Amino acid sequence: QVQLVQSGAEVKKPGASVKVSCKASGYIFTNHAMHWVRQAPGQRLEWMGWINTGTNGTKYSQKFQDRVTFTRDTSALVVYMELSSLRSEDTAVYYCARPQYSRVGDYYFDYWGQGSLVTVSS
Amino acid sequence: SFELTQPPSVSVSPGQTASITCSADKLGNKFVHWYQQKPGQSPVVIIYQDYKRPSGIPERFSGSNSVHTATLTISGTQPTDEADYYCQAWDSGTGFFGTGTTVTVL
Repeated sequence: QVQLVQSGAEVKKPGASVKVSCKASGYIFTNHAMHWVRQAPGQRLEWMGWINTGTNGTKYSQKFQDRVTFTRDTSALVVYMELSSLRSEDTAVYYCARPQYSRVGDYYFDYWGQGSLVTVSS
Repeated sequence: SFELTQPPSVSVSPGQTASITCSADKLGNKFVHWYQQKPGQSPVVIIYQDYKRPSGIPERFSGSNSVHTATLTISGTQPTDEADYYCQAWDSGTGFFGTGTTVTVL
């Protein structure tokens, strides 16, 4: 069965970076991209971007463009999300989500990781 | 900029029908997907491509999308349907989620 297992909670100071991992299993890793979505406490879901696990191409939301990097390790079946220059507003649960193709430029997310809480506090 | 607007909350009695709207300019030209999120859990897709239900999702969940508004309908609402619901759509290669609606089953 498809599973996305993420790394554990992190506490970081403002200005630091955080790297969250998402290990995929139960499907052919390179057949699906991976998206990242975050959710601040009590807030809506927020799309951050995606990585093409086959080509390593990426697309970032304009909001995070300057601070986020997605990478992948095809041998380990893991994708990573690194967010730099952290500030208190980045405190959130970060999810990886597997997209299912809907039509050109349109996807829905059929599997989600369990989420990784990142707390930014001095 | 593209924005998906939902009512903050909807209250419904058990067995009754709950309707959750999601509005944006010309939303009817796009696909809308819906997610259910219970406290402390990851979202689950319950409707995709406006009205389709993934396997395992109860028939009481249905969706529609027209002009500027998409609607998620829960018929015969169960206490287990108490959750947050988010619509989702794409605009110019960017993903957007709605503001979210908390459904309370009284």
